[in-house]
Amino acid sequence: GENVEQHPSTLSVQEGDSAVIKCTYSDSASNYFPWYKQELGKRPQLIIDIRSNVGEKKDQRIAVTLNKTAKHFSLHITETQPEDSAVYFCAASLYGGATNKLIFGTGTLLAVQP
Amino acid sequence: DTAVSQTPKYLVTQMGNDKSIKCEQNLGHDTMYWYKQDSKKFLKIMFSYNNKELIINETVPNRFSPKSPDKAHLNLHINSLELGDSAVYFCASSLLEWGEQFFGPGTRLTVL
Repeated sequence: GENVEQHPSTLSVQEGDSAVIKCTYSDSASNYFPWYKQELGKRPQLIIDIRSNVGEKKDQRIAVTLNKTAKHFSLHITETQPEDSAVYFCAASLYGGATNKLIFGTGTLLAVQP
Repeated sequence: DTAVSQTPKYLVTQMGNDKSIKCEQNLGHDTMYWYKQDSKKFLKIMFSYNNKELIINETVPNRFSPKSPDKAHLNLHINSLELGDSAVYFCASSLLEWGEQFFGPGTRLTVL
């Protein structure tokens, strides 16, 4: 089955710096890669997603890149702000398959220091 | 205006007890899920229902039994609670069997 690895497990940056979180997946059939943000004590919320027919997607300060050949995808946050501090999860699944089974990475705790 | 709601928010109980967590979504979604988030924040799918039909059943002890009375509700019943069941349980829903999943606020279960 699918396995998703995520690095780093913790990341501390200064406000205004960029943050990059990387994930690798094992199942080459996976074609949907969402990223969720979970603030302390809150629910996970989707912040951006990408499908395998696209190499990069951007939404303001957030971007995601996908390398299908290498089976890895990354989240890039530019001009980080204290409110970006949270745990970020990557996930992979087979979009349009019989089941939307999201396999999550182990999470990255991002701390943005003011 | 809550999209996905769960009750209770907190649940503290003794080992061996039976408890239930309820989930409701008002988004008109067809698919609902239960996830377990352990103390290390790892999120793992437990069950998925589509139109009241079980479609994902991960390797979960049979002490856990989901029930979907209708498309908008997915409840989780846990028998003979064990210490290792302590976790935050999240319900989620999505429009189809794929796509963005919307999570509920979570239920923090503590087994003493």
